[in-house]
Amino acid sequence: EIVMTQSPVTLSVSPGERATLSCRASQSVSSNLAWYQQRPGQAPRLLIYGASTRATGFPARFSGSGSGTEFTLTISSLQSEDFAVYYCQQYNNWPRTFGQGTKVENK
Amino acid sequence: EVQLVQSGGGLVQPGGSLRLSCAASGFTFSSNWMSWVRQGPGKGLEWVANIKQDESEKYYVDSVKGRFTISRDNAKNSVYLQMNSLRAEDTAVYYCAKGGRFPDYWGQGTLVTVSS
Repeated sequence: EIVMTQSPVTLSVSPGERATLSCRASQSVSSNLAWYQQRPGQAPRLLIYGASTRATGFPARFSGSGSGTEFTLTISSLQSEDFAVYYCQQYNNWPRTFGQGTKVENK
Repeated sequence: EVQLVQSGGGLVQPGGSLRLSCAASGFTFSSNWMSWVRQGPGKGLEWVANIKQDESEKYYVDSVKGRFTISRDNAKNSVYLQMNSLRAEDTAVYYCAKGGRFPDYWGQGTLVTVSS
């Protein structure tokens, strides 16, 4: 099973600032990496797939990069609605596995 | 509009059984993999199972193999999760989701509580 490790666990950011979230895979997943956003009490929403392709409905301030074992999600200028938990997930192998999540909170 | 409407959660005793259902609309159900993902209380996401369009392939996380069964009925645009021999650690919100690689639509979630 591929283990996904996210850092940091919690990221304190002020509105308008840049947020950088990391995700590391225990072995290469190529570009088969997705990111999800989950707000409290809601289901997750697909944010990024293919490591860098934004899903429908998300603005350009969200961007993903990386391949192999190291990935990054960047939110260029944080808005109030972006405070949430973000999960990475690999789909290169079965079982699909998620990182433990990074909570982006208001500083 | 894509919709995934879940039903079937609730409180069950350890060792008991429960069947979750997910009714899909707004897309061609028979052309899509479907998945179940769960989230324990205050915890992260865990992929549980997924199923190919024609049921020819099914995958399960190790912790539920032999206890959970995923199935679908393309005529009813529905996917199911039969959960047997339930344990306390199966307590979670269960989500059905469209897709087998990176689900792009998720149901509202249904709470399963395993407790005596």
